[in-house]
Amino acid sequence: QSALTQPASVSGSPGQSITISCTGTSSDVGAYDYVSWYQQHPGSAPKLMIYDVSNRPSGVSNRFSGSKSGNTASLTISGLQAEDDADYYCNSYTRYSAPYVFGTGTKVTVL
Amino acid sequence: EVQLVESGGGLVQPGGSLRLSCAASGFIFRNYAMHWVRQAPGKGLEYVSSIGDNAVNTHYADSVRGRFTISRDNSKNTLFFEMGSLRTEDTALYYCARDGPTGFTFDVWGQGTMVTVSS
Repeated sequence: QSALTQPASVSGSPGQSITISCTGTSSDVGAYDYVSWYQQHPGSAPKLMIYDVSNRPSGVSNRFSGSKSGNTASLTISGLQAEDDADYYCNSYTRYSAPYVFGTGTKVTVL
Repeated sequence: EVQLVESGGGLVQPGGSLRLSCAASGFIFRNYAMHWVRQAPGKGLEYVSSIGDNAVNTHYADSVRGRFTISRDNSKNTLFFEMGSLRTEDTALYYCARDGPTGFTFDVWGQGTMVTVSS
């Protein structure tokens, strides 16, 4: 069972939109609508940003949105802000013996 | 306030054992599945283990199955993680996390407890 594949880094200027991809297989991302996304700032615990592919928890900005097509999920951050500069991880429920798998992580840099 | 506080980390020699705890407060602990997730220094997040709300169902990553045991005491609002036959590659910050209300997510996280396996 391998980690889900994310780009190592994505960057954008303030106000722009960026999209982070998360590619898995038909046994994880493609099998269930249980993809979640987490934001992690240096020295801090991860924070849930998106769950069940496209749902935002209370308190999370509507600038964050999620989607999925086949074996690939995506996180889009619109109106990029300095505070969005962080690491982002996807996660999916799986059909494997270990029920969850994280992505490799993406460093988002706000230029 | 919903809170998770991990403890029990430290320095241990290869082959040794350690017991982590995660104290929960601010929510009805017995109603939620719980998870352990780890992060090696400078690396990404790695799923490690889960336990159902009634402690009957448990799951493990292949990398720890047979060496680590997850458990919980709902009367004390505490999650546990018994770690045995520790290896240098188990060195990481160990987070406990609550399962989301709809399941299949990690919606509340503790600040983590550091485990260092070294001779």
